[in-house]
Amino acid sequence: NAGVTQTPKFRILKIGQSMTLQCAQDMNHNYMYWYRQDPGMGLKLIYYSVGAGITDKGEVPNGYNVSRSTTEDFPLRLELAAPSQTSVYFCASSTGKETQYFGPGTRLLVL
Amino acid sequence: QKEVEQNSGPLSVPEGAIASLNCTYSDRGSQSFFWYRQYSGKSPELIMSIYSNGDKEDGRFTAQLNKASQYVSLLIRDSQPSDSATYLCAVNKNDYKLSFGAGTTVTVRA
Repeated sequence: NAGVTQTPKFRILKIGQSMTLQCAQDMNHNYMYWYRQDPGMGLKLIYYSVGAGITDKGEVPNGYNVSRSTTEDFPLRLELAAPSQTSVYFCASSTGKETQYFGPGTRLLVL
Repeated sequence: QKEVEQNSGPLSVPEGAIASLNCTYSDRGSQSFFWYRQYSGKSPELIMSIYSNGDKEDGRFTAQLNKASQYVSLLIRDSQPSDSATYLCAVNKNDYKLSFGAGTTVTVRA
């Protein structure tokens, strides 16, 4: 049981490039989330999903897109990367209103 | 007003002492409360959850909730160097999302 996995662990992007951050969970959780964490700050919700085919915006969705075609996978797409998107990105999953389980994170640097 | 506020820290305590972390929240309808621990460069991991007023103990950790005062705290007894981390308070407003505080960094001095 791998829990929540994320790839890549670290990536450097040039301004204007695009990329997809991958997230997968094997716990059969319906709810999945994407957060970003800037230095010294808490977690800010980017997007979340309550099940396959259903996604919704969080606090800071601008510059990002998501899709949820399966229960297991919840990729985050960055279009036209900007320096403001330099951050650590965490994916999480849960059964609902209870504990969220986090992946190991993806560290992104946009130069 | 931020949804979830934590004492800013950093908090430095000697080994064996009690570390006290505080968190206040703005939404009176909040239902569930969580404390996550995050080591430097790692992901958050849940250490305590609390849903009703009063104290909840788990080993060296005690969470305290006072919904009337909109306040939740975490006590770490007999602090160990391995407790050195950032502690995040998270609040659920009876939906599927959590609001996180900025975290309090704790350093336990040997």
